[in-house]
Amino acid sequence: DAGITQSPRHKVTETGTPVTLRCHQTENHRYMYWYRQDPGHGLRLIHYSYGVKDTDKGEVSDGYSVSRSKTEDFLLTLESATSSQTSVYFCAISEYRTGEAFFGQGTRLTVV
Amino acid sequence: KNEVEQSPQNLTAQEGEFITINCSYSVGISALHWLQQHPGGGIVSLFMLSSGKKKHGRLIATINIQEKHSSLHITASHPRDSAVYICAATNTGNQFYFGTGTSLTVIP
Repeated sequence: DAGITQSPRHKVTETGTPVTLRCHQTENHRYMYWYRQDPGHGLRLIHYSYGVKDTDKGEVSDGYSVSRSKTEDFLLTLESATSSQTSVYFCAISEYRTGEAFFGQGTRLTVV
Repeated sequence: KNEVEQSPQNLTAQEGEFITINCSYSVGISALHWLQQHPGGGIVSLFMLSSGKKKHGRLIATINIQEKHSSLHITASHPRDSAVYICAATNTGNQFYFGTGTSLTVIP
């Protein structure tokens, strides 16, 4: 199995609180992504990174920020969680040259 | 309009049947991925294709670059194949375009 892990796997939080999700890889892949998956919408890109300290926004970035201070870690932060951010969050990694991609197991976040 | 279209959206099959899921894309791609997601589970990469055909066990994936079309075939389907299958295209910038998925149920 590819070395990509997400933590936590499940989280319940209250509206207005900050939340940070972590994606860790051991593959040394350049690209890392955060997606959210919602019924009827499929996978939608929140933010992605193409290298350490190099990040860019996706189609649903409002309310989210990211950081990548090391190749292996990509953090997704909800500055002030809202109920609309209740979702399943997936991290993915991609190898630059081959395009090989792996996905994490997902984090189920519930904002109450 | 979605850059990646899958069909069918839902599919029910009897155990042992041959299954085909189709994917059409409208963007220029460097690769086409087939992904599998079991209910409540993570996403597993089944295939990455840039041309031709790949086979892994009972799964076969094909791609026709000229027609911008890919198919995923499952031979001798089994209830454990029940899952959502997602087609995804990547461009040269490593950006993904996802289909909305095909929900497959295989009945014993």
